[in-house]
Amino acid sequence: QQQVKQSPQSLIVQKGGIPIINCAYENTAFDYFPWYQQFPGKGPALLIAIRPDVSEKKEGRFTISFNKSAKQFSLHIMDSQPGDSATYFCAASIAGKLIFGQGTTLQVKP
Amino acid sequence: DAGVTQSPTHLIKTRGQQVTLRCSPKSGHDTVSWYQQALGQGPQFIFQYYEEEERQRGNFPDRFSGHQFPNYSSELNVNALLLGDSALYLCASSFYRRGNTEAFFGQGTRLTVV
Repeated sequence: QQQVKQSPQSLIVQKGGIPIINCAYENTAFDYFPWYQQFPGKGPALLIAIRPDVSEKKEGRFTISFNKSAKQFSLHIMDSQPGDSATYFCAASIAGKLIFGQGTTLQVKP
Repeated sequence: DAGVTQSPTHLIKTRGQQVTLRCSPKSGHDTVSWYQQALGQGPQFIFQYYEEEERQRGNFPDRFSGHQFPNYSSELNVNALLLGDSALYLCASSFYRRGNTEAFFGQGTRLTVV
């Protein structure tokens, strides 16, 4: 019940494309859902986050869609760039304890 | 404004030895959490410290212990190292009164056990 399932495991898109990464959870006690971006050899960097009482949040080229009834949320990256190539993790939080998905490796081709 | 800083960046230890990793939180943050990230996996929660006490703990053995100091910095100690302890150890800091949301991570300490 503490798991967060993330898909796909890897994703390749052309520059300008809109990659979509999906996550699902079971525990309705989760109260905060962040997305992190991680480059090789670096720590995860907070990209964008949403609370369960909001259905969508946009920050720059990044959008989170949240479906509370389905217990699913997704990350959309608009106008993707080669510099967006990284591993993306969704997470769900209870009192600051983060449960991470397995990660999605994104490659954006020029 | 310095972010979360961790030391050392890399470490090689022998099986059975003990290791101490250090973390300084982002300015204004008072809560420190530690995570273990195996290669190709998402980070796994080890424990969280607030007001110098362990507040939450993940599914890790007692070989993993920690400490938080009055200046909010923290240490992670691992005793009797196993080969399987080789991983990237991440420290994250947050602010308790914001519900410990917006956790910011350091660059990690890469521990290799040989």
